[in-house]
Amino acid sequence: GQSLEQPSEVTAVEGAIVQINCTYQTSGFYGLSWYQQHDGGAPTFLSYNALDGLEETGRFSSFLSRSDSYGYLLLQELQMKDSASYFCAVLLNQAGTALIFGKGTTLSVSS
Amino acid sequence: DARVTQTPRHKVTEMGQEVTMRCQPILGHNTVFWYRQTMMQGLELLAYFRNRAPLDDSGMPKDRFSAEMPDATLATLKIQPSEPRDSAVYFCASGLATGVGTGELFFGEGSRLTVL
Repeated sequence: GQSLEQPSEVTAVEGAIVQINCTYQTSGFYGLSWYQQHDGGAPTFLSYNALDGLEETGRFSSFLSRSDSYGYLLLQELQMKDSASYFCAVLLNQAGTALIFGKGTTLSVSS
Repeated sequence: DARVTQTPRHKVTEMGQEVTMRCQPILGHNTVFWYRQTMMQGLELLAYFRNRAPLDDSGMPKDRFSAEMPDATLATLKIQPSEPRDSAVYFCASGLATGVGTGELFFGEGSRLTVL
């Protein structure tokens, strides 16, 4: 079976930094993606790591350690609009035809 | 503005009725995915297609669910007969599968199904 574990909830205040961890056990692995979903909306793509290391995109960064089957999403300078659910997702094959999601982490940002 | 379009956005039906959800993927995308989202299970992969061919539908209850792509601009997910436990938001997503995956899918706004 496929298993992706991430915390169910995280809370933080505006301006802070928060890290959302993801550990995985899957039948295949070619990369780790992160998606954001606001309440009632569609999931939207944030980042993708195929190789070990840190990828930075503005206030968001994503990290992958393939040897540890572990990754994280780092959100800096938090804003109220960052309140949403964040999902890690494993790409099971190289062709990009199978993406398995974790159950998501709900981030609440307060002022 | 390219987007994945799903219909209906909301559907309320009674147990035992047939439900058909439709999806128009982004033009040029060659992979289409169906996901089901519930509070308990999160985003579950039901089925996916590449170049209109079904690659995997192991996530679907076979006795009642079926997924097809009659052409490149239309994907359908059918439930017959529907049951209350099928109540969920069903998302369609499309992507471009090449030799190297990018982990990026484009999701529609979802079809919220309620089975009474």
